[in-house]
Amino acid sequence: DAGVIQSPRHEVTEMGQEVTLRCKPISGHDYLFWYRQTMMRGLELLIYFNNNVPIDDSGMPEDRFSAKMPNASFSTLKIQPSEPRDSAVYFCASSQTSSVPETQYFGPGTRLLVL
Amino acid sequence: AQSVAQPEDQVNVAEGNPLTVKCTYSVSGNPYLFWYVQYPNRGLQFLLKYITGDNLVKGSYGFEAEFNKSQTSFHLKKPSALVSDSALYFCAVRGLSTDSWGKLQFGAGTQVVVTP
Repeated sequence: DAGVIQSPRHEVTEMGQEVTLRCKPISGHDYLFWYRQTMMRGLELLIYFNNNVPIDDSGMPEDRFSAKMPNASFSTLKIQPSEPRDSAVYFCASSQTSSVPETQYFGPGTRLLVL
Repeated sequence: AQSVAQPEDQVNVAEGNPLTVKCTYSVSGNPYLFWYVQYPNRGLQFLLKYITGDNLVKGSYGFEAEFNKSQTSFHLKKPSALVSDSALYFCAVRGLSTDSWGKLQFGAGTQVVVTP
């Protein structure tokens, strides 16, 4: 199994630009999570999906952030427009209900730098 | 609301010595408790979990954790630390209410430094 796949691994962009982060969960997993990690705030849950449906987006910082999961094998997190304070490492994770769903498998992360 | 606390930002230990990383939690009812580890420039990896049953849980890489309900703690332990155990360790908890199914609350993390 390839594990959770995220792309790009690194992204450098200028303030005001649109940024799209991508995630492919492990095949057969029905939960998908988006996290953000910074030194100041630690690890924050932004949003999570179950069977492609958003369950809790209370962690999404503001309307500039949006996430979609059009099918079971793909999800995107979009920031538009981006700001320097969005600089962080963004992780995608997946899990499955048939196991304990909190046993989450994390991707390698996307390191985002907004100049 | 559920919460988890890791009181130490960093733990320093010499190789071969026992390692303990502390975690306390607050949750309604019986908790699901987890430990994850993050190596530099990597995503988090699952180490072990407590759901029910034996209070001593064994996990990957020789780690174990002890659930103590009266002290609301779930400390991570390893009898003999290795330099390769140097990493960032996260404790996490989920409550049992239906609106938190699947969702983890992570602690702030504890940096473990094992010196040769």
